[in-house]
Amino acid sequence: AQKITQTQPGMFVQEKEAVTLDCTYDTSDQSYGLFWYKQPSSGEMIFLIYQGSYDEQNATEGRYSLNFQKARKSANLVISASQLGDSAMYFCAMRGFTSGTYKYIFGTGTRLKVLA
Amino acid sequence: DTGVSQDPRHKITKRGQNVTFRCDPISEHNRLYWYRQTLGQGPEFLTYFQNEAQLEKSRLLSDRFSAERPKGSFSTLEIQRTEQGDSAMYLCASSYAYDSRDTGGQPQHFGDGTRLSIL
Repeated sequence: AQKITQTQPGMFVQEKEAVTLDCTYDTSDQSYGLFWYKQPSSGEMIFLIYQGSYDEQNATEGRYSLNFQKARKSANLVISASQLGDSAMYFCAMRGFTSGTYKYIFGTGTRLKVLA
Repeated sequence: DTGVSQDPRHKITKRGQNVTFRCDPISEHNRLYWYRQTLGQGPEFLTYFQNEAQLEKSRLLSDRFSAERPKGSFSTLEIQRTEQGDSAMYLCASSYAYDSRDTGGQPQHFGDGTRLSIL
């Protein structure tokens, strides 16, 4: 079975500071992908960053980076230089590539509030 | 790229009625997903289409739910005999898979969703 766990229901960060949102996962797939999405209060899901299980380097996309620790089964999102517009729900998601499922599993999310 | 479009944005209906939602994916995307999202939760997988074929369906999906993607383009999700517990946001997402091996990280692009409220 596949599972995503996000243990931080809510986080606060001061504007311009960095913040780490935690994500741990469980899967029996040998090959899998990990994704982070942002969902502002307006509701749309916005793709942020992807990490493949066999990627040797941690993924980075602008101010977003993914701290991937395969042995610990963690894929934490790091947002550098937080902006007020970063206030939103953040979801970690996973898809296994070897078990024959096309399903994406999402965590319960972390609500981030950036303070001015 | 006009994005994923969902219609309607909101639907209010009485318990027991049937409802149908439509999703228009990004035109070149061959993969289409339906999700349900309730307040405070992440999206929950409902079903997946590759082109016109429905390849996976959640075991949580009751027989009252059915989805189609007749020509591999737009998709519809129908809920028959709606119940209070069906109240949720229904999200559609699409992506493109380059090949059948599909070990790439092609992200899903989501629509704005249809919010269903059952009275």
